[in-house]
Amino acid sequence: NAGVTQTPKFQVLKTGQSMTLQCAQDMNHEYMSWYRQDPGMGLRLIHYSVGAGITDQGEVPNGYNVSRSTTEDFPLRLLSAAPSQTSVYFCASSVPGGGTEAFFGQGTRLTVV
Amino acid sequence: DAKTTQPNSMESNEEEPVHLPCNHSTISGTDYIHWYRQLPSQGPEYVIHGLTSNVNNRMASLAIAEDRKSSTLILHRATLRDAAVYYCILRDWNAGGTSYGKLTFGQGTILTVHP
Repeated sequence: NAGVTQTPKFQVLKTGQSMTLQCAQDMNHEYMSWYRQDPGMGLRLIHYSVGAGITDQGEVPNGYNVSRSTTEDFPLRLLSAAPSQTSVYFCASSVPGGGTEAFFGQGTRLTVV
Repeated sequence: DAKTTQPNSMESNEEEPVHLPCNHSTISGTDYIHWYRQLPSQGPEYVIHGLTSNVNNRMASLAIAEDRKSSTLILHRATLRDAAVYYCILRDWNAGGTSYGKLTFGQGTILTVHP
């Protein structure tokens, strides 16, 4: 049981490049989400999904796309990377609902130069 | 989303109890109170959650005020490994549409533990 797996752990991109951050979970959780964390800040919600085919925007969705074709995977796409997207990205999953524990990945540290 | 207010930082000595407060005066009846912590260079990890009654688990205790407008996370004997940022979060199990279950983080409380 691996939990939530994020790849890659580190990535450097040039401005304007695109890439996909991968997130996979093996707990059959319906709810998955992406956060970004800037230095000295809390986590901000980018996008989330309550099941395959259902996604919604969080508080900072601009510049990012998501799709959810399977329960296990929830990739985050950067369409045209900008230096302002330099951050640490965390993926989380849980059973939907208020009284359940969320599990987080170890993060992807992204630098855009 | 209902908001929470936490002190920016707190300090404790090793082996002593720590009480981390959280105010959530706009909490709704369907909000669970969650606590997560984030160790340096790691993803957040679940600590505890509750709805109305006090809760205990192997990591901590959660004391919830009778009116549910505040709560306190209690670490019974702080260790150096408990030094982290602690987040108090409200998680709604009954919001409409796709919103239910969202976890919205605030700034958290930085806990420093002194040897």
